[in-house]
This record gives sequence, C-alpha cells and structure tokens, in this order.
Amino acid sequence: NAGVTQTPKFRVLKTGQSMTLLCAQDMNHEYMYWYRQDPGMGLRLIHYSVGEGTTAKGEVPDGYNVSRLKKQNFLLGLESAAPSQTSVYFCASDGGRGRSPLHFGNGTRLTVT
Amino acid sequence: DAKTTQPPSMDCAEGRAANLPCNHSTISGNEYVYWYRQIHSQGPQYIIHGLKNNETNEMASLIITEDRKSSTLILPHATLRDTAVYYCIVRPDLWGGGADGLTFGKGTHLIIQP
Repeated sequence: NAGVTQTPKFRVLKTGQSMTLLCAQDMNHEYMYWYRQDPGMGLRLIHYSVGEGTTAKGEVPDGYNVSRLKKQNFLLGLESAAPSQTSVYFCASDGGRGRSPLHFGNGTRLTVT
Repeated sequence: DAKTTQPPSMDCAEGRAANLPCNHSTISGNEYVYWYRQIHSQGPQYIIHGLKNNETNEMASLIITEDRKSSTLILPHATLRDTAVYYCIVRPDLWGGGADGLTFGKGTHLIIQP
C-alpha cells in the first residue's frame, strides 16, 4: 500500500496563476482532508470531504476550491494564486470515526512569487 | 481553536524516557486523545490514541488521567530520531463528525540531546 500520495512535491507559481494539487489514497478511506502549514505554525484545515461527491469548508477555505469526484482522490485547486498561499500543503485521510487515525501524505511545497 | 494545551518545547537526554504532557480540560466523554509527531517537514505520523485506559504500542505509551483532563505521552528510550514536533489532539467518536477535532496547534518541539 502506498498510503496517501501527493503530487507534485514542489511547485513555483507566479501570482495569478492557477494549479491543482492531487491527493490519492489507496486505503478505501471515506474522509479526506487538505491542510496548510506555514513556518513555525501548526496545521490549519482548508477543506475536507466526508465521502465521494461531498466537500466542506475548514478553518481557512478562502482562495481554494476542492473536488472529490472519486473516493480515492481529493483535489485542491488554486484559481488565482497569491503570495499568501505560499505554504506546505498536506493531504490526509481516515475512516471517518474518532477512533480512526489520520494518515498523511508527505506534502507539497508551494511557492507563489 | 485547538482544545489542547502543550508546552512549546522540551529537552530530553538520549536513552532516557521522554514524557510529553497535554492538557485537555474540556474533553468530552466521547472524545479520543490522539498523538502525532512531525519530523522536519514530513507529513505528521500517527503515534497512539486512547479513550479512557492507558495504551501502549511499539512506539510509545499513553497515560490518561482518571478525570481525562490531561494525558502524557511516554517515549520509553528516546533516540536522536525522536526529535520532532509532537501534537496532541482530541477527536469525537462520531461517524460523520465532520471537522471536529482536526485542529492541530503548534505542538511540543521535543529535542533529544546526545
């Protein structure tokens, strides 16, 4: 099992450009999440999904969109990137119950110039 | 807001037990205590979780006080590779519980000294 796989690992964008980050999990998990982590900070939840075809806003959703067309994939989109979105983005998944631990990917490091 | 409080940093000598405290005084009866750690800039790694009873696995032990308002993660024989940021979170045991309990604070930066 690969677990949670994020692509790409690194990306540099110019202000105003768009991009999509892909998260894939092979554990048949219902729930998937996107976090961002800024230097010296904890993880902040951007959006999450409780199942295929569903999405919901987290703590810091502005400037991002998400889609969950397939159970195993969760996409994070930036329509018009801004320097404030420079961050490390982590995807996670779990079985959706409090007794199910989160499994994280290794992150995407995004720089917006 | 994170529902847990942790010291920002701790030191521990290599080979000794590292005891990391976490305060969760507002925990509800159906909430689990989870511990994760993050080494460098890698994705956080699950360590252990528990509800009421103390738990032990190959990585660590989790001691939860009887009133469940605090807990301690114990790494029995710390090594240099245990240097990391350790996060304590509480999460309700609810199917469809949404984003409750998914806020990670700044955690405790544990530094293992040689």
